[in-house]
Amino acid sequence: DAEITQSPRHKITETGRQVTLACHQTWNHNNMFWYRQDLGHGLRLIHYSYGVQDTNKGEVSDGYSVSRSNTEDLPLTLESAASSQTSVYFCASSETAAQETQYFGPGTRLLVL
Amino acid sequence: GNSVTQMEGPVTLSEEAFLTINCTYTATGYPSLFWYVQYPGEGLQLLLKATKADDKGSNKGFEATYRKETTSFHLEKGSVQVSDSAVYFCALSDSHNQGGKLIFGQGTELSVKP
Repeated sequence: DAEITQSPRHKITETGRQVTLACHQTWNHNNMFWYRQDLGHGLRLIHYSYGVQDTNKGEVSDGYSVSRSNTEDLPLTLESAASSQTSVYFCASSETAAQETQYFGPGTRLLVL
Repeated sequence: GNSVTQMEGPVTLSEEAFLTINCTYTATGYPSLFWYVQYPGEGLQLLLKATKADDKGSNKGFEATYRKETTSFHLEKGSVQVSDSAVYFCALSDSHNQGGKLIFGQGTELSVKP
């Protein structure tokens, strides 16, 4: 069965360190998204990609970067982790059209000390 | 800009009670509307969706009708179960954007007691 996976599921890091969160999907979807989930804010879009070599900034992109070298993967990098980036991170993928369902990964819980 | 507003939680109900979670939206054009559900410790999964005005989405006993005149997409279920305890998110996808970026409401936590 097709799926979307994230790793690690839990991560503790220190302020200033670079951290990369992995996202891998086997749906063969063109579109991939990264969200962060914080109490009182729902999910907010960090970055997204509509295909290989395409990346775009979302609502809360400062301090984050992504790259899309193949269809299956969209890693999220925190260049220099800050305590404000402590959150739960979700990756999602979908077909191209606007009305298509997004399929979410299980999430990565990140704690920045 | 586009936005989604949900009723605040947490909502606590007894088993077999009627559920309504309100959702209103602001959007240009004709967005698609979604309800996603998040069970404890898991990612989000689609509960139901509607892609045009007056459409009704339904799944697992839940329903929501796309009301363009009131810009609403309220979630209802006639008889909730303990297993429905979760966080529910209303979301929209702007029809003008390629590939369906979602804008989420803040989520409503539902707790159903036996």
